[in-house]
Amino acid sequence: QKEVEQNSGPLSVPEGAIASLNCTYSDRGSQSFFWYRQYSGKSPELIMSIYSNGDKEDGRFTAQLNKASQYVSLLIRDSQPSDSATYLCAVNSDRGSTLGRLYFGRGTQLTVWP
Amino acid sequence: DAGVIQSPRHEVTEMGQEVTLRCKPISGHDYLFWYRQTMMRGLELLIYFNNNVPIDDSGMPEDRFSAKMPNASFSTLKIQPSEPRDSAVYFCASLEGTIPYEQYFGPGTRLTVT
Repeated sequence: QKEVEQNSGPLSVPEGAIASLNCTYSDRGSQSFFWYRQYSGKSPELIMSIYSNGDKEDGRFTAQLNKASQYVSLLIRDSQPSDSATYLCAVNSDRGSTLGRLYFGRGTQLTVWP
Repeated sequence: DAGVIQSPRHEVTEMGQEVTLRCKPISGHDYLFWYRQTMMRGLELLIYFNNNVPIDDSGMPEDRFSAKMPNASFSTLKIQPSEPRDSAVYFCASLEGTIPYEQYFGPGTRLTVT
């Protein structure tokens, strides 16, 4: 069973702060990692993907991956109230019969207060 | 591209009735996934297809649930007979089976069984 664990939250930060969301995974062979944002009543929306150790930046979002520690994180800089949502970490099974299957964490609810 | 299309967006039915949910994946995507999301259980994978063939249906809760994919552009999830505990949001997602294996979700169907 492939486990994906996220800090349970909820996480509350003031506008303009850095929000840090963390995720660990159990399958050492995992190769692809994703962050989804889900607003209340909406579907999960892909916001970041990362495949290599290190950092990947996209605007105010930075994904960080450390395969040795089996850890992936998402940093949101200059947090805005519009970032308030649940963030889901997902790990891909990139091989064999489960190619393409995603394993999701339970999500971390983020609130950014003005 | 129009994205993943699901219908209906909302469904209210009485216990014992048959429910059919529909999904059109993104054109060119060869994987299709059906998920269910509840507050209690989070996002659960029910079944997924590759090239219209079911790969893993171990998440289908019981025999009342069935899914088909008669062609590359259409899939159905059927519940017969429906029960109140089936009330949830059902998502369909698709991906193209090549790197980066990014999975995209439809808007979901909110099912209420009374």
